[in-house]
Amino acid sequence: NAGVTQTPKFRVLKTGQSMTLLCAQDMNHEYMYWYRQDPGMGLRLIHYSVGEGTTAKGEVPDGYNVSRLKKQNFLLGLESAAPSQTSVYFCASSYLKAGYSFEQFFGPGTRLTVL
Amino acid sequence: GNSVTQMEGPVTLSEEAFLTINCTYTATGYPSLFWYVQYPGEGLQLLLKATKADDKGSNKGFEATYRKETTSFHLEKGSVQVSDSAVYFCALRQQGGSEKLVFGKGTKLTVNP
Repeated sequence: NAGVTQTPKFRVLKTGQSMTLLCAQDMNHEYMYWYRQDPGMGLRLIHYSVGEGTTAKGEVPDGYNVSRLKKQNFLLGLESAAPSQTSVYFCASSYLKAGYSFEQFFGPGTRLTVL
Repeated sequence: GNSVTQMEGPVTLSEEAFLTINCTYTATGYPSLFWYVQYPGEGLQLLLKATKADDKGSNKGFEATYRKETTSFHLEKGSVQVSDSAVYFCALRQQGGSEKLVFGKGTKLTVNP
């Protein structure tokens, strides 16, 4: 199993450009998440999904959109990139098991720079 | 709302030294608590977890005990190795619904030979 994969690994954008980050998981997990990691800020949740066709806002959703058309994929879109969106983006997925806490499995990250 | 506070880094130790990274939390109800580790250039990996008060999570020589009376989940290791150099994140899982995690800001550990 590949686990959680992210595409691309690196990207440089100019202000105003758009792009889509792809996250894929092969573990049949219900839940998927997008985080951004900034120095001294830890990880902050952007958007998440509790199942195919559903999405919800996290802590810092502004400037981002997401879609979960297939259970295994979770896309993060930037419609008009801004320098404040320069960050490392992590995708994660987790499974549902009644009565038990469970871990989130993380992808390797996408380093995005917006000039 | 729910939050996690962990000690500021960076922390620099010599090999075989004792490690403590403090973590305290604010939450309603009974959250589950986690320590994640991030090695350079990689994503986060679960290090250990605890689901209820007085539970002790352990893995790879690391330990942390869920202390509800002090709302703490401090990470400890008796003898660190160079390979333990990484960033460590404390996190809590909010009850119900989306199973979202709330992370602390991370503590960078460097272990020198």
